[in-house]
Amino acid sequence: AQKITQTQPGMFVQEKEAVTLDCTYDTSDPSYGLFWYKQPSSGEMIFLIYQGSYDQQNATEGRYSLNFQKARKSANLVISASQLGDSAMYFCAMRVNDYKLSFGAGTTVTVRA
Amino acid sequence: NAGVTQTPKFRVLKTGQSMTLLCAQDMNHEYMYWYRQDPGMGLRLIHYSVGEGTTAKGEVPDGYNVSRLKKQNFLLGLESAAPSQTSVYFCASSVGGYNEQFFGPGTRLTVL
Repeated sequence: AQKITQTQPGMFVQEKEAVTLDCTYDTSDPSYGLFWYKQPSSGEMIFLIYQGSYDQQNATEGRYSLNFQKARKSANLVISASQLGDSAMYFCAMRVNDYKLSFGAGTTVTVRA
Repeated sequence: NAGVTQTPKFRVLKTGQSMTLLCAQDMNHEYMYWYRQDPGMGLRLIHYSVGEGTTAKGEVPDGYNVSRLKKQNFLLGLESAAPSQTSVYFCASSVGGYNEQFFGPGTRLTVL
């Protein structure tokens, strides 16, 4: 069975600073995909970034980057230059060949002015 | 485009009542999914569909049924609601199994 672990239940970050959200995963399948989603207090799930297991380079999308360390089975999300609007719950998720997403428990980020 | 929409947004049921949640997407996606989100937990997959007329069980399918009679719609049914089914339900869709999933706004269901 696939498993996603997010060990940080909550984090505080100062506005304009960078923050790293941890995510480790467990799978024996060589082909998989890793996703990060943002859930603001309004409740919707917003896709942020994707990393495939065979991708040679770390994924980046604007202020979001994914620090993919395959040997360590980690896929940490880095948010640079934090903004007040980044305050939300962040979920790491993994997709293996059967197309289903398995989600971690999430990390709450609070950005302080 | 509306993306993924869910009806209703809120619902309160009594134990034993039945209801159907409707999910609609206008992106011509093949794949559709139903998740539930409970406090302190990530989303858990209930059922999913890889195309019109198909359905499959996810991680927590017990107590739920689904139907995908039209490509754009995915229905989630609760035949006899239980308090343990109090949750926020999310529908999602994707172009294919390997693509990002787009989520609806969620339905908050309370079973008394």
